[in-house]
Amino acid sequence: KAGVTQTPRYLIKTRGQQVTLSCSPISGHRSVSWYQQTPGQGLQFLFEYFSETQRNKGNFPGRFSGRQFSNSRSEMNVSTLELGDSALYLCASKRGTGAHEQYFGPGTRLTVT
Amino acid sequence: GDSVTQMEGPVTLSEEAFLTINCTYTATGYPSLFWYVQYPGEGLQLLLKATKADDKGSNKGFEATYRKETTSFHLEKGSVQVSDSAVYFCALEKAAGNKLTFGGGTRVLVKP
Repeated sequence: KAGVTQTPRYLIKTRGQQVTLSCSPISGHRSVSWYQQTPGQGLQFLFEYFSETQRNKGNFPGRFSGRQFSNSRSEMNVSTLELGDSALYLCASKRGTGAHEQYFGPGTRLTVT
Repeated sequence: GDSVTQMEGPVTLSEEAFLTINCTYTATGYPSLFWYVQYPGEGLQLLLKATKADDKGSNKGFEATYRKETTSFHLEKGSVQVSDSAVYFCALEKAAGNKLTFGGGTRVLVKP
């Protein structure tokens, strides 16, 4: 069974631009979560989607948004990029309510210059 | 709010040495506890989990026991290999949601 895939793997953007990252969960998984990993703040939860609905949201500004499609694929968008948005963005999928294991993708490395 | 505290690294060991990484948590209710491992340039891999008090999670020679009385979930391995060099993250998940709260990570370096 294929794992969680994320595209692109690497991205370089300029301050003020916007970016869209994509995540394809494991087949049959309905929950997708996003995390930001930085050296200073560590791993922080962004949001979680289940059946196209955002169920949980972390403490990030409104510039960070996401959505989930009917096939469970998810995208996250960051608008008006800041230098501090440079990070590894990780996506994780989970079968659904009651399951405990979250499976992570390899991440998208975003660099903002 | 919920939080996870784990020992800071780096932890440097010789091959076949015993590894312990301490992890304690603060959370209301009865969270599930996890250890994830991250190899260079990769995402996180679930190493083991425990979903209730006194549960022992184990995988690939690693073990951790959910101790509610001490709010701890320490990771141990009896004999490490060079291939165990990675960053290890302790995490909790509350029963009510899918959000994982992570510790700061502990870098482990095993030398031959």
